[in-house]
Amino acid sequence: GAVVSQHPSWVICKSGTSVKIECRSLDFQATTMFWYRQFPKQSLMLMATSNEGSKATYEQGVEKDKFLINHASLTLSTLTVTSAHPEDSSFYICSARVEAQYFGAGTRLSVL
Amino acid sequence: SQQGEEDPQALSIQEGENATMNCSYKTSINNLQWYRQNSGRGLVHLILIRSNEREKHSGRLRVTLDTSKKSSSLLITASRAADTASYFCATGNTNAGKSTFGDGTTLTVKP
Repeated sequence: GAVVSQHPSWVICKSGTSVKIECRSLDFQATTMFWYRQFPKQSLMLMATSNEGSKATYEQGVEKDKFLINHASLTLSTLTVTSAHPEDSSFYICSARVEAQYFGAGTRLSVL
Repeated sequence: SQQGEEDPQALSIQEGENATMNCSYKTSINNLQWYRQNSGRGLVHLILIRSNEREKHSGRLRVTLDTSKKSSSLLITASRAADTASYFCATGNTNAGKSTFGDGTTLTVKP
């Protein structure tokens, strides 16, 4: 099956710093990737659709200046949480689609 | 509300019993996927069923799809304590690339 790699798996940072999360499709090319956010004991909420070579499409209520998405190649999308604050602490998961969606293992972000 | 909605929200059974979870959705789909998530971990893809399929098996998993009722079920047979996790369904929409997740079913299998 398709493999999606996400890095890092866990990051702790100070309030005000920026954090970059990478999502790679390892054995296929993905023109579209998706970024989700999950709070404890809740479902996954789609944040944005990352499109290779063009701007990301953000879901309603998601701040595009806060969550910067770059999809510079067919195998890599990055999510940068800018000026992170404790309320940004969450579990972030990326996925890429090859008929079905295949997910990375997720990144747990803790902002102190 | 979410495109995929699972029920029950929580299920607790004894090891060896079967567990059945259901998922309902609203719009047309081209496939439906089931995922497992252990606490604090990422999602593990379990099985994908296409809209032209009615039933699919994978080991102890059996998935059915009824497009007329817009529903799917996941059956785990002979459950084990290691099956304890949250289970989510996600729909692949014909008109959009994204999948939408339900709230999930939390399964607890007691040894």
